[in-house]
Amino acid sequence: AQSVTQLDSQVPVFEEAPVELRCNYSSSVSVYLFWYVQYPNQGLQLLLKYLSGSTLVKSINGFEAEFNKSQTSFHLRKPSVHISDTAEYFCAVTGKGTSGSRLTFGEGTQLTVNP
Amino acid sequence: GAGVSQSPSNKVTEKGKDVELRCDPISGHTALYWYRQSLGQGLEFLIYFQGNSAPDKSGLPSDRFSAERTGGSVSTLTIQRTQQEDSAVYLCASSGYTRSSYEQYFGPGTRLTVT
Repeated sequence: AQSVTQLDSQVPVFEEAPVELRCNYSSSVSVYLFWYVQYPNQGLQLLLKYLSGSTLVKSINGFEAEFNKSQTSFHLRKPSVHISDTAEYFCAVTGKGTSGSRLTFGEGTQLTVNP
Repeated sequence: GAGVSQSPSNKVTEKGKDVELRCDPISGHTALYWYRQSLGQGLEFLIYFQGNSAPDKSGLPSDRFSAERTGGSVSTLTIQRTQQEDSAVYLCASSGYTRSSYEQYFGPGTRLTVT
């Protein structure tokens, strides 16, 4: 079984500031890792994923996350945020070989970008 | 192409009534998942269908919950004798049976309110 801990439930930042949303996971098997974003009144959208290869993965809108196996972390970062990045962010994990790739989610981090 | 669709978008029901929630996955996707998003419980897995295999029902919270998938496409989640604690957003996701099978695409959800 897997578990995910998102260390911050709320992260307020000012526009153009850098941000880091923290995610730690626990698993007895190798994992695939994901960040999903949920904008107000919308469904979950996949932001980025780590399946294999380079441990640094990037999204098209400037976010990046790094898989750190030794620290069992997959923190999400952006060097300069925009008002439009205001949303809830969910870290998720599935174990390799897990039946059906069911996702285990963290509790979510509400990112609020203020002008 | 069209994404995952769910209906209804909102459902208000009286305690004790039965409800049916529908999910139309992305055409050609063989895997279908139901999750529940509620305050205090976060996002939790309910049930998973893959092709013609027996579904993984391990996340269903009680025997009042059931789901079926007809013809390998549309799925219906049924909650019998609804309780107030069933109030939540019910999310459906689908994925393809390819290298990208670990990418789940989510629908907009059905917000269920039990009064």
